[in-house]
Amino acid sequence: SQTIHQWPATLVQPVGSPLSLECTVEGTSNPNLYWYRQAAGRGLQLLFYSVGIGQISSEVPQNLSASRPQDRQFILSSKKLLLSDSGFYLCAWSPGGMAGELFFGEGSRLTVL
Amino acid sequence: QKEVEQDPGPLSVPEGAIVSLNCTYSNSAFQYFMWYRQYSRKGPELLMYTYSSGNKEDGRFTAQVDKSSKYISLFIRDSQPSDSATYLCAMSVNTNAGKSTFGDGTTLTVKP
Repeated sequence: SQTIHQWPATLVQPVGSPLSLECTVEGTSNPNLYWYRQAAGRGLQLLFYSVGIGQISSEVPQNLSASRPQDRQFILSSKKLLLSDSGFYLCAWSPGGMAGELFFGEGSRLTVL
Repeated sequence: QKEVEQDPGPLSVPEGAIVSLNCTYSNSAFQYFMWYRQYSRKGPELLMYTYSSGNKEDGRFTAQVDKSSKYISLFIRDSQPSDSATYLCAMSVNTNAGKSTFGDGTTLTVKP
């Protein structure tokens, strides 16, 4: 069966520090991968998605970047965090191609102080 | 105006009650409709996935889509305390679920 792992689960970072969130998927190949941000009491905002290694599409101009160095690995990064980057970040995957189901990781809660 | 509107609640019901959760939308191109359940501090999990108008039932859950009214619903029968969570509706134009537009979620509490 397929599983998705996301880490770290929680982190507190000072303004201006770098960020790296990592996500890996097991049990499938060539998945579509996504990074979302969820503000408190709000829906999900798509940040980045990837249909293959090295292929990244950005949905929202911002202080963040994403990379996909391996087929089942997706990384969310920032060189300098802003206060507004605080939130709940979710990695998700769907089967490659045009497939309807979306599977989420457990999330990473980021607090920027 | 948001493309997808969802009453944030909170909604509190006694155990055993029938729960109705709803979303309205403005984009008539939406064809695929999803409901996700999200427990506190966890990632969402897909509950129901439907295409176009009609009803779909899965155990105690029924998803209903009325495209003419741009209105979708999720009904939970015989609600249980374990149903206490935030419910997110989501919609997409095509089967690329990752490009879905999400509602803000309705928080439900089922009291024993």
